[in-house]
Amino acid sequence: AQSVTQPDIHITVSEGASLELRCNYSYGATPYLFWYVQSPGQGLQLLLKYFSGDTLVQGIKGFEAEFKRSQSSFNLRKPSVHWSDAAEYFCAAGSGGSYIPTFGRGTSLIVHP
Amino acid sequence: DAGVIQSPRHEVTEMGQEVTLRCKPISGHNSLFWYRQTMMRGLELLIYFNNNVPIDDSGMPEDRFSAKMPNASFSTLKIQPSEPRDSAVYFCASSGGNNQPQHFGDGTRLSIL
Repeated sequence: AQSVTQPDIHITVSEGASLELRCNYSYGATPYLFWYVQSPGQGLQLLLKYFSGDTLVQGIKGFEAEFKRSQSSFNLRKPSVHWSDAAEYFCAAGSGGSYIPTFGRGTSLIVHP
Repeated sequence: DAGVIQSPRHEVTEMGQEVTLRCKPISGHNSLFWYRQTMMRGLELLIYFNNNVPIDDSGMPEDRFSAKMPNASFSTLKIQPSEPRDSAVYFCASSGGNNQPQHFGDGTRLSIL
């Protein structure tokens, strides 16, 4: 069955520190991959997406993600976290021909001053 | 460019009452999704429309839930009769096609007393 796993329920970092949020997928073929961010009281906002080509993808707000086929991973990174990055982050994946992506359970990012 | 618009943003009502949630997708998007988000169950897909036709409603929890999309610019999710366990944040999302990212509204926070 297709699945998306975000192993970390909560991540705590200090402001200015680097960040990596993990995402693993289980799909038969190379999936289409997305990262979304959800701030309190708001809907999910797309940060970045991977369809094909360069495995390092740049997104908005200074985020990037790297697709690693050998590890079935699509981890989200940011070199220096700001307090405003505190939010819930969701990884999602879809396969060819599918309109319905599969979402991970989310990782809550806490940023200490 | 307007995003996905949901109304109302908040709804508080007593159990047994009918609740109607509304969604206006992004113009030109042909896929529309209704999700429910709770702390316990995370983000759940309720129903998915493509070109105004319901394609997958396997996530609709009970017959008390129904959704319609009478035209490309409007959809409703109705709960009748409502129960306290229906309390959640309901999101509408739209996308431009196969494997395209979803764009989410800001959600309706529903509280059933």
